[in-house]
Amino acid sequence: DQQVKQNSPSLSVQEGRISILNCDYTNSMFDYFLWYKKYPAEGPTFLISISSIKDKNEDGRFTVFLNKSAKHLSLHIVPSQPGDSAVYFCAASPYTTSGTYKYIFGTGTRLKVLA
Amino acid sequence: DADVTQTPRNRITKTGKRIMLECSQTKGHDRMYWYRQDPGLGLRLIYYSFDVKDINKGEISDGYSVSRQAQAKFSLSLESAIPNQTALYFCATSEPDRNQETQYFGPGTRLLVL
Repeated sequence: DQQVKQNSPSLSVQEGRISILNCDYTNSMFDYFLWYKKYPAEGPTFLISISSIKDKNEDGRFTVFLNKSAKHLSLHIVPSQPGDSAVYFCAASPYTTSGTYKYIFGTGTRLKVLA
Repeated sequence: DADVTQTPRNRITKTGKRIMLECSQTKGHDRMYWYRQDPGLGLRLIYYSFDVKDINKGEISDGYSVSRQAQAKFSLSLESAIPNQTALYFCATSEPDRNQETQYFGPGTRLLVL
């Protein structure tokens, strides 16, 4: 049973428009969430994070929204650029008193930004 | 130079063979992880280590073993490879920072077990 789900395996968006990538989770103990971007033949690279005490975090063109009641987070990319074409993974972890994080990853969404 | 390196980048082996995947990091992080990625399944945690003397099983540790030879080195072994271990393997490192922890990934090792 997957605790972190990315239900859209792929998404195509026109350059300059908004890209919205979605992620749903089932474990209400998840406390910290990240988005990673992965290009072919490379490892995932960290993009942006959000903790459960916030509902929004922005970094340049990237904004992550967290809706705890719906157990849903989304990544918005505005404006989308061809270089954003990659696979995007969301990941979630509960926080423990020992300060450790064990991330559960979603299956990824392949974003293609069309020039 | 890359902060997290993995060797080899590609490997083809036969069923029953023992193989080792190696990971080195120059980030100075105590925490290291091994994941595998399969199509449609995302990344799944195999083993993790929070320091040289600490080894922990992850979600899918059966058929794998690890060795933390030094702070900078974390190796993953397949004692007797089987075809369903064909996957893309990633090593990662992290260092907790107050209330957050970001993992930094190596480029991956693509393993094919025939």
